[in-house]
Amino acid sequence: AQSVTQLDSHVSVSEGTPVLLRCNYSSSYSPSLFWYVQHPNKGLQLLLKYTSAATLVKGINGFEAEFKKSETSFHLTKPSAHMSDAAEYFCVVSEFSGGYNKLIFGAGTRLAVHP
Amino acid sequence: GAGVSQSPSNKVTEKGKDVELRCDPISGHTALYWYRQRLGQGLEFLIYFQGNSAPDKSGLPSDRFSAERTGGSVSTLTIQRTQQEDSAVYLCASSELSTQYFGPGTRLTVL
Repeated sequence: AQSVTQLDSHVSVSEGTPVLLRCNYSSSYSPSLFWYVQHPNKGLQLLLKYTSAATLVKGINGFEAEFKKSETSFHLTKPSAHMSDAAEYFCVVSEFSGGYNKLIFGAGTRLAVHP
Repeated sequence: GAGVSQSPSNKVTEKGKDVELRCDPISGHTALYWYRQRLGQGLEFLIYFQGNSAPDKSGLPSDRFSAERTGGSVSTLTIQRTQQEDSAVYLCASSELSTQYFGPGTRLTVL
């Protein structure tokens, strides 16, 4: 079975500084990986996804993630944090089971951005 | 176009009562999922519908939970005899290919 570990439950950064949200996965084969963001009282929004094409994936709002098979990691980064980036971020792996893609969610990382 | 919508956005109920939560998927999406998100946690898969096929109910936590999807579109999740541990946000998602698009969720509070 596949699983996802988000290494930090909370990350706090200052506005304008880089963001790093860490994610490790376990998978018996080449996975599909996603990052979703959830703003307070809002639904989940897809930030980016990796599906075995380029290992560096660019998403919305300046976020990107790099798939590193040797490290089984898919960390999310952004060069310069904005106040509007404050939200909960979920790393997700897709498991093909029973004829469809089932999403396995990490526990989430809450990002706080300070002025 | 319109995204996934869910209703109600908030539901407060008393322990032991039944509740129904509704999901309207994106038009044309054949796959529909229900998830539960407890406070401070990630999402737990509940149930999956694909077209007219039998649903995958493997994530439903007990026989108090059931879901149906009428006409391959709108879905309702029913929780019978609610318990306090059912308090959570219930999220619905739909997809055509591999990417799932989520609704805003229904926040259920069982007193």
